[in-house]
Amino acid sequence: DAKTTQPPSMDCAEGRAANLPCNHSTISGNEYVYWYRQIHSQGPQYIIHGLKNNETNEMASLIITEDRKSSTLILPHATLRDTAVYYCIVRSPPGGSQGNLIFGKGTKLSVKP
Amino acid sequence: NAGVTQTPKFRVLKTGQSMTLLCAQDMNHEYMYWYRQDPGMGLRLIHYSVGEGTTAKGEVPDGYNVSRLKKQNFLLGLESAAPSQTSVYFCASMTSGRMTDTQYFGPGTRLTVL
Repeated sequence: DAKTTQPPSMDCAEGRAANLPCNHSTISGNEYVYWYRQIHSQGPQYIIHGLKNNETNEMASLIITEDRKSSTLILPHATLRDTAVYYCIVRSPPGGSQGNLIFGKGTKLSVKP
Repeated sequence: NAGVTQTPKFRVLKTGQSMTLLCAQDMNHEYMYWYRQDPGMGLRLIHYSVGEGTTAKGEVPDGYNVSRLKKQNFLLGLESAAPSQTSVYFCASMTSGRMTDTQYFGPGTRLTVL
């Protein structure tokens, strides 16, 4: 599975956009980029995923570079409730142990008033 | 729809004791997972199941056993608990293995082994 690199922590002002970067330079053509977040000690929560096109849903936007070696998760108007650890995960297609999620340490996002 | 539930929420064991953690999902999902999370770390996969009656090892399976006798339940057993197994345990389920499927996580079980 491709490895991901994320900054350990970031701060964001409430109401501003939070842009969380992720490097995945060894990603293969059929691997997806997934984002999950974990608020305090709760179970992780799915946010969004994409293959090569930019994606948007009610929670966030995912921007994947054309070479697919990096991506950015955008929370357009961060609130205090968005304070969490955000995990960028590269997921291989299913088959054997493939398709499983491999969590790194993520980025701890602190949204400040 | 309760989603993914875990029992118990908290447990304290002594070294050498055994226990079983129960994960239940009411979404008719095929795939189920058990993870552990140590302080300051990401989740690590212990065991998983791709359907009723099947189980497979994940990244850190030693010291744990699992069973999936019913589609909706996935049990994680510790036969002889060790202090190194002190952790927060999360269960997850997923519709199937398709790339568009996502995992839904339970609230976690906090286990302390003295």
